[in-house]
Amino acid sequence: EAGVAQSPRYKIIEKRQSVAFWCNPISGHATLYWYQQILGQGPKLLIQFQNNGVVDDSQLPKDRFSAERLKGVDSTLKIQPAKLEDSAVYLCASSLNRGQTGTRRTYNEQFFGPGTRLTVL
Amino acid sequence: LAKTTQPISMDSYEGQEVNITCSHNNIATNDYITWYQQFPSQGPRFIIQGYKTKVTNEVASLFIPADRKSSTLSLPRVSLSDTAVYYCLVGGALGFQKLVFGTGTRLLVSP
Repeated sequence: EAGVAQSPRYKIIEKRQSVAFWCNPISGHATLYWYQQILGQGPKLLIQFQNNGVVDDSQLPKDRFSAERLKGVDSTLKIQPAKLEDSAVYLCASSLNRGQTGTRRTYNEQFFGPGTRLTVL
Repeated sequence: LAKTTQPISMDSYEGQEVNITCSHNNIATNDYITWYQQFPSQGPRFIIQGYKTKVTNEVASLFIPADRKSSTLSLPRVSLSDTAVYYCLVGGALGFQKLVFGTGTRLLVSP
């Protein structure tokens, strides 16, 4: 089974520029997440989609960040304009509400993509 | 949301058993306990999930006492490749419930 795909893998921009990240979740996964991970910290949830509806975006800086998930599949996260403190790895993950890993049933097991490393200069 | 507390770092040697404990005093009745592993430059990867007592899979065991206010991830006979950050998350079976990653436990396995 194909994993979560993300692009680009790396991006370097100057502050005040715009940037967009793309994510293609695992086929059939209704829930999609975007996380921001600053070096040395755990991933911080930015936004969570259930199909194409937003479930949680309480930690998304809405003045500069936006995300959409058209048709409940692919998703795009945009930053406009970028600040220095936006330098981080942006992780996309997807999950089924109930799945199975090996012989065990799992709940909300999240499958992560490789991430996009953003550097803002 | 249940808050979790785990050690910032741990050191071990190859071949030893490593136990990482996570406390989650305000765990809710429908909350599951899930552990993820993260290597540098990769996204986190699911290790194990449990609700109560003991769960074992091919890579780890998860021990959960009766009061469920803590849990222990046990890695048997660690190798250098187990050097990673380990996160404990607590959340429900409901798809819309947010799971919160803490700072995790940085495990360093030495030869």
